[in-house]
Amino acid sequence: GNSVTQMEGPVTLSEEAFLTINCTYTATGYPSLFWYVQYPGEGLQLLLKATKADDKGSNKGFEATYRKETTSFHLEKGSVQVSDSAVYFCALQSGGSYIPTFGRGTSLIVHP
Amino acid sequence: DADVTQTPRNRITKTGKRIMLECSQTKGHDRMYWYRQDPGLGLRLIYYSFDVKDINKGEISDGYSVSRQAQAKFSLSLESAIPNQTALYFCATSESGQNYNEQFFGPGTRLTVL
Repeated sequence: GNSVTQMEGPVTLSEEAFLTINCTYTATGYPSLFWYVQYPGEGLQLLLKATKADDKGSNKGFEATYRKETTSFHLEKGSVQVSDSAVYFCALQSGGSYIPTFGRGTSLIVHP
Repeated sequence: DADVTQTPRNRITKTGKRIMLECSQTKGHDRMYWYRQDPGLGLRLIYYSFDVKDINKGEISDGYSVSRQAQAKFSLSLESAIPNQTALYFCATSESGQNYNEQFFGPGTRLTVL
C-alpha cells in the first residue's frame, strides 16, 4: 500500500535560516505529490504540488522536487520567517482510488 | 466567504451523547471527506463520498456514521460519543477524476468528549 514518511518535529529555527523537511514515500504507479500547510487554528491548505518525476513545485518561497529515483519530495526554503511557523504535511495521491495518503506532519517553529 | 465551512467550530459533550458535525461547501465538488487529527498521528480518514449516492468507509470508521444530504453537504455523526473520540475533525472536498487534484479543507471542529 501507499505510505508517506516525514521527519519528526518540532523543527526549531531562527528567522532567515534555511529549512529542509524530509519526505519519502512508497506508492504503486505514478503518484502526484503534495505539501500542505496548517497554520495555528486553521485547516490544511495546499502549499505546492508536483505531478510527475523531476517536476518542481514552488510557492511562497518554498520548493520541492519530485525525485522518483529516491522516492522523495523534500520541502525547502532558503530563508524562513516567523510567519512560516506551522505544521507541514507531505501527501501523495495515486491513480485508481484518488484517496490521499498523508504523512504525520512536521511542526516548524521559527524564532525572531 | 469560506468555500468549505464546518459547524460547530467547538463542541464539548459527555460520554454517550449523540453528536452531529456538519460540513457545507460552495466549490461545486463531487468528492467530500471526513478526517480526524490527533497529535502525533497526523490525519486519518473516517469516511468519504464521491457523489451523493456514494458512501465509503475510511481507515477508522468504527463509532462514526455519515450522511450525504446533497452535493454540498456531508455530515458526520457520533452515535454514542466516547472520550477517545476527542480530536480535531476536518471536512475536505476535491474535484473528481485526476490524482493531481488537491483537497480543500474546512477550518475544523474541535470536539471534546468528557
